Amino acid sequence: SQQGEEDPQALSIQEGENATMNCSYKTSINNLQWYRQNSGRGLVHLILIRSNEREKHSGRLRVTLDTSKKSSSLLITASRAADTASYFCAIPGGTSYGKLTFGQGTILTVHP
Amino acid sequence: DGGITQSPKYLFRKEGQNVTLSCEQNLNHDAMYWYRQDPGQGLRLIYYSQIVNDFQKGDIAEGYSVSREKKESFPLTVTSAQKNPTAFYLCASTELGGVSISGANVLTFGAGSRLTVL
Repeated sequence: SQQGEEDPQALSIQEGENATMNCSYKTSINNLQWYRQNSGRGLVHLILIRSNEREKHSGRLRVTLDTSKKSSSLLITASRAADTASYFCAIPGGTSYGKLTFGQGTILTVHP
Repeated sequence: DGGITQSPKYLFRKEGQNVTLSCEQNLNHDAMYWYRQDPGQGLRLIYYSQIVNDFQKGDIAEGYSVSREKKESFPLTVTSAQKNPTAFYLCASTELGGVSISGANVLTFGAGSRLTVL
């Protein structure tokens, strides 16, 4: 199925360090999204990158997309304890408008 | 404020009982979705609806049912046929305008409902 696969499954860093999470997928897409989920809460949209974009920034977030390798990365710079959460990439479902398929996520822990 | 409201936040069910989770949105979004999340896992799509009075099965629809009688409401019923219903359930919505078959718009999520079977 068209599901993003995230790597690593878990990441533990110190405040101030950068965190990089990767997502790979299998079929052609025209955009890819990243979401964040705090423990026990709903998901919050972070950023959407289109297939004709290679890189996109939003505050301390930087997302890249390599359509030839079918992969994307999410970089959080100068991490804070408040960045502790799970991060998911989401791929269009491909068979129906507006449907998203989510990966299993990366659990990020930022130690103060 | 616009958003999605899920209720109840916590729900306990005895085996053999049906339960209904509520999802209401005031964003005037066309499409609504139900996802299931198990511990340490991603989201799996249960059902979705792109228009009133129409809905489609997702990847794990067995043991669940939905209705879409109003644009703003998309309740999910977990039936006794669902063998392992304990999970975190997330409702989401989005606009469909301008979406192509290989694209998708941003989803807005509710805060979730945690169902535990006793």
